[in-house]
Amino acid sequence: SAVISQKPSRDICQRGTSLTIQCQVDSQVTMMFWYRQQPGQSLTLIATANQGSEATYESGFVIDKFPISRPNLTFSTLTVSNMSPEDSSIYLCSVAQGARTEAFFGQGTRLTVV
Amino acid sequence: DQQVKQNSPSLSVQEGRISILNCDYTNSMFDYFLWYKKYPAEGPTFLISISSIKDKNEDGRFTVFLNKSAKHLSLHIVPSQPGDSAVYFCAASANDYKLSFGAGTTVTVRA
Repeated sequence: SAVISQKPSRDICQRGTSLTIQCQVDSQVTMMFWYRQQPGQSLTLIATANQGSEATYESGFVIDKFPISRPNLTFSTLTVSNMSPEDSSIYLCSVAQGARTEAFFGQGTRLTVV
Repeated sequence: DQQVKQNSPSLSVQEGRISILNCDYTNSMFDYFLWYKKYPAEGPTFLISISSIKDKNEDGRFTVFLNKSAKHLSLHIVPSQPGDSAVYFCAASANDYKLSFGAGTTVTVRA
């Protein structure tokens, strides 16, 4: 299994600001994803981070709000832009080697917007 | 639209007994199912998976059962141990890499 490091592990941010979350994997992986877990809710896929091209966003998520980079096969960033209290969530990086394989998760970034 | 449902938000079980967690899904295209375990302040950890071509998969104390006609799967943990106290998520995918998650079931194992 891959070892995934996410930074920061938590942060408290002012509304209107942006936060960039980093995800580093200890080996090259085919697929990287970003999920969000809002308080008391399930994990929801935000987007698939594509190496060298624009991320693929799920319904309800847009690039202007959640810009994503993936410069290589081991690293990705997610930015939460122009934050509001509704963005307070746990953001999780995930990796997989393909369809019908288990996905592995980082420890998550707990974001609180005040 | 929640395609994967875990209708029991919590479960309390005595140490040594069986824990049974249930999960229902609505999307008939789902063909791969997984269970994850999550401790506070940690990311989900993969536990066990099952393909739609099987109806049972076993790994140590963990067994997953799949009933495709009922669109239902369950996770059995036998025997339950205090370290099993965590939130358990059911997840499913439909011939691709995207996972749809249930809301989770919090398991408490009593000594």
